[in-house]
Amino acid sequence: NAGVTQTPKFQVLKTGQSMTLQCAQDMNHNSMYWYRQDPGMGLRLIYYSASEGTTDKGEVPNGYNVSRLNKREFSLRLESAAPSQTSVYFCASSEVQSPTEAFFGQGTRLTVV
Amino acid sequence: TQLLEQSPQFLSIQEGENLTVYCNSSSVFSSLQWYRQEPGEGPVLLVTVVTGGEVKKLKRLTFQFGDARKDSSLHITAAQPGDTGLYLCGGTSYGKLTFGQGTILTVHP
Repeated sequence: NAGVTQTPKFQVLKTGQSMTLQCAQDMNHNSMYWYRQDPGMGLRLIYYSASEGTTDKGEVPNGYNVSRLNKREFSLRLESAAPSQTSVYFCASSEVQSPTEAFFGQGTRLTVV
Repeated sequence: TQLLEQSPQFLSIQEGENLTVYCNSSSVFSSLQWYRQEPGEGPVLLVTVVTGGEVKKLKRLTFQFGDARKDSSLHITAAQPGDTGLYLCGGTSYGKLTFGQGTILTVHP
């Protein structure tokens, strides 16, 4: 099983450019999440989706949009990238019922110059 | 502001020492989880605690959930260099899974 697959693994953007980070899971999970990880900040929740067709803001949603395309896929879009969005981005999925073990992708290292 | 506060943020110890990492919150969680993350990888689940007062052991690691389900601790006995990594506590509340800032543990041989 592939688990959670993120693409791309690395990306460099210029300020103002847009891009979409893709995430797909093959575990039939209902919940999917996008996090960013900065040094000393742990994982901060950007957006999450408890089920297909629903999305909700997390702790740091500004500058991002998401789409839950179907049960498998949850994409994160940066419309106009800023240097403050330089980070490592992780997608995760889990079942809705607690306890919820989250399975993570390998991350996307994004640099905005 | 993060719901979960982890301490300490950094821990550098010698092989064979014991250590404890704390995860505290003012909120009640239906469950708390501990993850370990290696450089360049995503976090991987170590344990989930669900019941207040619960204690779980995983070899040299002992996890405890507070009676009020607002805090948890991770204790490592006789740490080894292979324990080096980032340790994260995560909590589920109203369908959201949020994390503390993490504890970077370095165990020197």
